[in-house]
Amino acid sequence: AQTVTQSQPEMSVQEAETVTLSCTYDTSENNYYLFWYKQPPSRQMILVIRQEAYKQQNATENRFSVNFQKAAKSFSLKISDSQLGDTAMYFCAFMKHGEYGGSQGNLIFGKGTKLSVKP
Amino acid sequence: AAGVIQSPRHLIKEKRETATLKCYPIPRHDTVYWYQQGPGQDPQFLISFYEKMQSDKGSIPDRFSAQQFSDYHSELNMSSLELGDSALYFCASSFRLAGSLAKNIQYFGAGTRLSVL
Repeated sequence: AQTVTQSQPEMSVQEAETVTLSCTYDTSENNYYLFWYKQPPSRQMILVIRQEAYKQQNATENRFSVNFQKAAKSFSLKISDSQLGDTAMYFCAFMKHGEYGGSQGNLIFGKGTKLSVKP
Repeated sequence: AAGVIQSPRHLIKEKRETATLKCYPIPRHDTVYWYQQGPGQDPQFLISFYEKMQSDKGSIPDRFSAQQFSDYHSELNMSSLELGDSALYFCASSFRLAGSLAKNIQYFGAGTRLSVL
């Protein structure tokens, strides 16, 4: 079974600074996907960034980037130039790769990291 | 762009009552997932459907059932409600078919907040 661990229940950062959220996972699968979802106070689940395990290049989406270390089973999220609107709960999630190349099954979430961006 | 639509947004029920949650996936998405998020918890997978057939099953209680209809909308039926069923219920949809660039992304609805009194 796969597990996802987020060891930082809460973090805070000053506006405009950089913060890194940690995530480790355990799996015996070789092909899989990793995601970071953001859940602001509205409770909406919003996709931040995704990484395909077979790609060595780290994914980047504007101010958000990941450091994917497959051998170490680590998947951290870096937020640059933090903004007040980044205040949210951040969930790291794992999903197996499908047998026939498509998506497969459910997301397995970590317990989340509550990020507060301070003015 | 069209998103995943869930209804109702809020639902208040008494213990032992029945509730039905509805989900309308993004057009052309063929897979629907249901998740339950308790207070202060991470979302837990309940059940999924691919092309109207049950695909995967997670920690869904026997008191719950779900189905996906011909128009791809899905309903989660919850009977004999218990206080512990109070949670935020998410529906997500994705396009599973191999070859799609976006095939591995699940898009979430705004959720239905169920309160059992």
